[in-house]
Amino acid sequence: DTEVTQTPKHLVMGMTNKKSLKCEQHMGHRAMYWYKQKAKKPPELMFVYSYEKLSINESVPSRFSPECPNSSLLNLHLHALQPEDSALYLCASSQDFGLASQETQYFGPGTRLLVL
Amino acid sequence: GEDVEQSLFLSVREGDSSVINCTYTDSSSTYLYWYKQEPGAGLQLLTYIFSNMDMKQDQRLTVLLNKKDKHLSLRIADTQTGDSAIYFCAEWGTGFQKLVFGTGTRLLVSP
Repeated sequence: DTEVTQTPKHLVMGMTNKKSLKCEQHMGHRAMYWYKQKAKKPPELMFVYSYEKLSINESVPSRFSPECPNSSLLNLHLHALQPEDSALYLCASSQDFGLASQETQYFGPGTRLLVL
Repeated sequence: GEDVEQSLFLSVREGDSSVINCTYTDSSSTYLYWYKQEPGAGLQLLTYIFSNMDMKQDQRLTVLLNKKDKHLSLRIADTQTGDSAIYFCAEWGTGFQKLVFGTGTRLLVSP
């Protein structure tokens, strides 16, 4: 089973709203990732969690706040977003982080976010 | 730099072979990946190749790696309409410690 699930599939929010994106995997992976993907572009890495600790923050604005409550779950809390934050948000997981042989990443279906 | 280049678009007829090319940057890259993304969906891992290999075959998919030229290709045999999607190559190297994606190639398969 190489499934990563994400909820919700679609989300529309205003610039003053607070919302959360959720991601879950049950593959026993210890690394989880958030990516942002704009239309017709490749995914851009936002955050990496390894063993439930934040390992990489790619200079993401503080209106995006990640959280890893346990090794299977990854959240992305959203607050005061801008219209340019509208995108497909992808979650991924891998067996480990920082070891090439363990880095194969499996992606979820994504949450399509629209900020009005 | 981290630029991984792919041609933007490829159009083939059903039943033909498709070849999608990728030029990567980091000679220390250890794993190279191919992902498929259908409209409105996430990325599906198709296959990957370790840098000490020249070729890998997996059913209709053949990956060729030319390390000297930093060139990676994905050949899809007997291409079907369901293969229409965007294909991303990606490299993972010890230099940048993250997955770096190519620009993506849109494959259109016509009946």
